[in-house]
Parts: sequence; structure tokens; C-alpha cells
Amino acid sequence: SQKIEQNSEALNIQEGKTATLTCNYTNYSPAYLQWYRQDPGRGPVFLLLIRENEKEKRKERLKVTFDTTLKQSLFHITASQPADSATYLCALDHGSGNTGKLIFGQGTTLQVKP
Amino acid sequence: DVKVTQSSRYLVKRTGEKVFLECVQDMDHENMFWYRQDPGLGLRLIYFSYDVKMKEKGDIPEGYSVSREKKERFSLILESASTNQTSMYLCASKDPGTSGKSEQFFGPGTRLTVL
Repeated sequence: SQKIEQNSEALNIQEGKTATLTCNYTNYSPAYLQWYRQDPGRGPVFLLLIRENEKEKRKERLKVTFDTTLKQSLFHITASQPADSATYLCALDHGSGNTGKLIFGQGTTLQVKP
Repeated sequence: DVKVTQSSRYLVKRTGEKVFLECVQDMDHENMFWYRQDPGLGLRLIYFSYDVKMKEKGDIPEGYSVSREKKERFSLILESASTNQTSMYLCASKDPGTSGKSEQFFGPGTRLTVL
């Protein structure tokens, strides 16, 4: 069955540094991958989508890469700020046509210290 | 902006009670989803609806049912609540578009505790 793995350990970095989060998947070839941000006690909020034929996608200080050979996506936040502290979820399409169903990783918590 | 609302932020129920969780979206989205989120397990899909009165089981439907009588409203029902259904419940909606490749919009979540 499809499996998604995100680093379950929290990532602690210093303000101004680049945070890099990893999403690995197995037994699957998704057509696209999405990243969401979730703050404590709130629902996830969409950040970026990257398609299988795209190597990299950027949005302001965010960058996502998608390596279908390695079956891995990397999520980077450059010039990180304490306000970036949150849990970040990767999600892959469920592979069921246009339903838009997603499979989510368990998330990685990022803590940016001032 | 798309808004997805859920009827309660916090809910405490007794074992065996019938529980209704309501979700409403205001953007005329066809697709709606119910997830539960537990520490270390991430979001798991309970049920999915792609149109009014249409539903499809997700990965963990046991112990749950759903109702979609109107396009904007998707209800999750726990027929007889059990302690292992204590969790954070999240509703989401999306516009399927032409390829399905679009984001999901989430509600704020309902933290359900079953005693």
C-alpha cells in the first residue's frame, strides 16, 4: 500500500537559516504533491502544489522540489522567521482520478528560534 | 475567500451516544471530505463526497456514516460513540476542476472527546 514518511522528529533551527523538510513515499507514483501548514488547534492551510513533471516550485520564501526517481519531495523555507513555526504536512494525490483525494504524511513540526 | 466552518470546536460525549459533526462550505465546492487526525498518524480519510447524496468510503470508515443532503453541507455521524473515536475531526472541501489537481480547504476542526 502507499506509504508517506515525514520526519517525525521536530526540526529546530535558528532564525534566518533555511529550514528543509523531507517527504518520502513508497509504492506509488503520484501525479502531484502538495504541502500544507498547520498551526496548533487549527486546520491545515494549503501552501504549494507541484506536479510530477515539475522539478521545482517557488513561492516567496518557499521552495518545493519533487524527485520522482528518489520518490522524495523537499520543502525549503529560506530566511526562516519565528512566525514560520508550525507543523508542515505533505500530501500526495490518492490516484483516484479527479476526486482530489489526498494521502497525508504525519507532518513535521518546525520550531524557529529567535 | 473560501470558508469552511464546523459546528463545534470542542465536543465532549459519552460512550454510546450518537454524535453529529456538521461542516458547511460557502464556495459551491462539489467535493467534501472528513478526516480524523491523531498524533503520529497524520490525517486519515474517513469519508468523501463528490456530489449531493453521493459518498464514498475513505480509509477508515468503520464506526462512521455521513450525510450530504445539500451541496454546502456534509455531516459526519458517529452512530454509537466509543472512546477510540476521541480525536480531532477535520472537514475539507475542494473544487474538482478539470484535473482534480487543486488544494483542499479545511475547517478549523472539532476536537471530540468520548468519555
